Amino acid sequence: SQKIEQNSEALNIQEGKTATLTCNYTNYSPAYLQWYRQDPGRGPVFLLLIRENEKEKRKERLKVTFDTTLKQSLFHITASQPADSATYLCALGRNAGNMLTFGGGTRLMVKP
Amino acid sequence: DAGVIQSPRHEVTEMGQEVTLRCKPISGHDYLFWYRQTMMRGLELLIYFNNNVPIDDSGMPEDRFSAKMPNASFSTLKIQPSEPRDSAVYFCASSSFLAGGKETQYFGPGTRLLVL
Repeated sequence: SQKIEQNSEALNIQEGKTATLTCNYTNYSPAYLQWYRQDPGRGPVFLLLIRENEKEKRKERLKVTFDTTLKQSLFHITASQPADSATYLCALGRNAGNMLTFGGGTRLMVKP
Repeated sequence: DAGVIQSPRHEVTEMGQEVTLRCKPISGHDYLFWYRQTMMRGLELLIYFNNNVPIDDSGMPEDRFSAKMPNASFSTLKIQPSEPRDSAVYFCASSSFLAGGKETQYFGPGTRLLVL
């Protein structure tokens, strides 16, 4: 069965450092992968999309890599700030249909 | 833009009662999704619509759950009868082929449901 794994333990880092979150998947061949941010009591907010033929995508302080051989995506936040503290979800999708399958999310805590 | 609107934001009901959750997607979006989020199971897709037509309802847990989209600006998710295990946060999301790509989903604030 399809499985998407994100580190269920919270990631605690110091302000200014780079946060790296991992998303691993098995039994899935996604056409694209997305990262969302979710704050307590709110719905997920889209951050980045990377397609299967792309290795890396950047947006301001965010960087996503996608390795379809390793079946893994890494999500980096450089120069992290306390305001970056949230839960980050990865989601996989196929071109057929428009369904996303979400990982369980990783909670990031950036300490000042 | 008001974003995706969901109502109610909170719902407390007793087991056996009917629950109706409502969603207004972003104007012009042609995809609408219903998700359920729990600590144990994470965020799960229940059903999604394209141009008001249900496309995939394989995530709907059982016959107690039903969803409708009578027009492009309104959808409901109904649970009848409700059970304590239905307690969760229910999210509605919408997307558009034209606005950011159909893959990018815009989520509402969610309805927190508690069934006693």
